[in-house]
Amino acid sequence: EIVLTQSPGTLSLSPGERATVSCRASQSVSYRYLAWYQKKPGQAPRILIYGASARVTGIPDRFSGSGSGADFTLTISRLEPEDFAVYFCQQYGSSPYTFGQGTKLEIK
Amino acid sequence: QVQLVQSGAEVKKPGASVKISCKASGYTFIQYSMHWVRQAPGQRLEWMGWINAGNGYTKYSQKFQDRVTIYRDTSASTDYMELTSLTSEDTAVYYCARDRLQDTLTFDYWGQGSLVTVSS
Repeated sequence: EIVLTQSPGTLSLSPGERATVSCRASQSVSYRYLAWYQKKPGQAPRILIYGASARVTGIPDRFSGSGSGADFTLTISRLEPEDFAVYFCQQYGSSPYTFGQGTKLEIK
Repeated sequence: QVQLVQSGAEVKKPGASVKISCKASGYTFIQYSMHWVRQAPGQRLEWMGWINAGNGYTKYSQKFQDRVTIYRDTSASTDYMELTSLTSEDTAVYYCARDRLQDTLTFDYWGQGSLVTVSS
């Protein structure tokens, strides 16, 4: 089973700043099958990125994903107030499909 | 609009089984696959298995292979997940999550969650 470890656990930033969240896998993720989700309290998760770097239709272009092998990154170029939430990664390259533990992005 | 409405909370005794339903609306049910994911208290999300819309094929996490069954009633646009031989470690919120297409293995809509508490 691939274990995904996200860092940092909590990220404190201000609107307008750049956010970078890391997702490191215990082994290489096949075909870059890595997705990113955003989760706000009381809401269902929303998928942002799939295939490590492909943005889902409707997701603002300030969200970007990169990486390959076992190291992946979610970047939010300029934080908007609505971006403060929990972000988690998911690998779907090999079963069982696993999730990171989440990174909380909070307002500084 | 797409909605996935799950059945309500359940309290079960160790050794019992639980069946959770996920009724879909707002889209063509037979065109999308469905996954089941759970989250135990303080733990990360855990994928349990899925049912492929195209061929009815199911695949389960090896962790749950012997205890879980996922199936669907297309006439009712409803998916079901049944988990047997419950222990306290199965206490969790269980979610159905729609595949973005038929087999992307990523999720675009989620149910509201069904809390299952296993306690003697």
